[in-house]
Amino acid sequence: DARVTQTPRDKVTEMGQEVTMRCQPILGHNTVFWYRQTMMQGLELLAYFRNRAPLDDSGMPKDRFSAEMPDATLATLKIQPSEPRDSAVYFCASGSGSTDTQYFGPGTRLTVL
Amino acid sequence: DQQVKQNSPSLSVQEGRISILNCDYTNSMFDYFLWYKKYPAEGPTFLISISSIKDKNEDGRFTVFLNKSAKHLSLHIVPSQPGDSAVYFCAASDSWGKLQFGAGTQVVVTP
Repeated sequence: DARVTQTPRDKVTEMGQEVTMRCQPILGHNTVFWYRQTMMQGLELLAYFRNRAPLDDSGMPKDRFSAEMPDATLATLKIQPSEPRDSAVYFCASGSGSTDTQYFGPGTRLTVL
Repeated sequence: DQQVKQNSPSLSVQEGRISILNCDYTNSMFDYFLWYKKYPAEGPTFLISISSIKDKNEDGRFTVFLNKSAKHLSLHIVPSQPGDSAVYFCAASDSWGKLQFGAGTQVVVTP
């Protein structure tokens, strides 16, 4: 049963700390997306990779957020330093590239105090 | 600039009846449309999709209708079941494969 996995599922941290979220896309998928869900903004796209290359990170606050794909089985989203307004659920999704259907992981719930 | 809109934040329907969820979009470049279902504390789950070259796609109890001239799509669930209680997101894809999501509609199926 292929699925996207994300770690950690929950993270509570203090303002100013570094946060790293990890995602393992479905094996064979070549597109990876990072989304953030908040009550106010709904699901917003932060970054998008195809074949490990970043294609669009215009949705990401550049000064504190960074997204990378060190290899085809791992995507990371890092926030440094974290702020209370970053509190949200962060979802990773992957796709095969042959269709536009994306498959979502369970999300990381981030709370910044 | 919200390009995909779900104007009904909630919908209550009786078990066995039809649920109709609506979605409007503004960008005529969208060429693929999807519906996702989301339970609390889980990620969105893909439900059904439709290409802009079609006007209807059916999968079991779920049917999606697309009206390109009106820039409108709808999801019909019939018959509705208690397990269908969830938040439903409409999404639209551009030529780059990026999805724009609506704000979601909370569906509650009552016995």
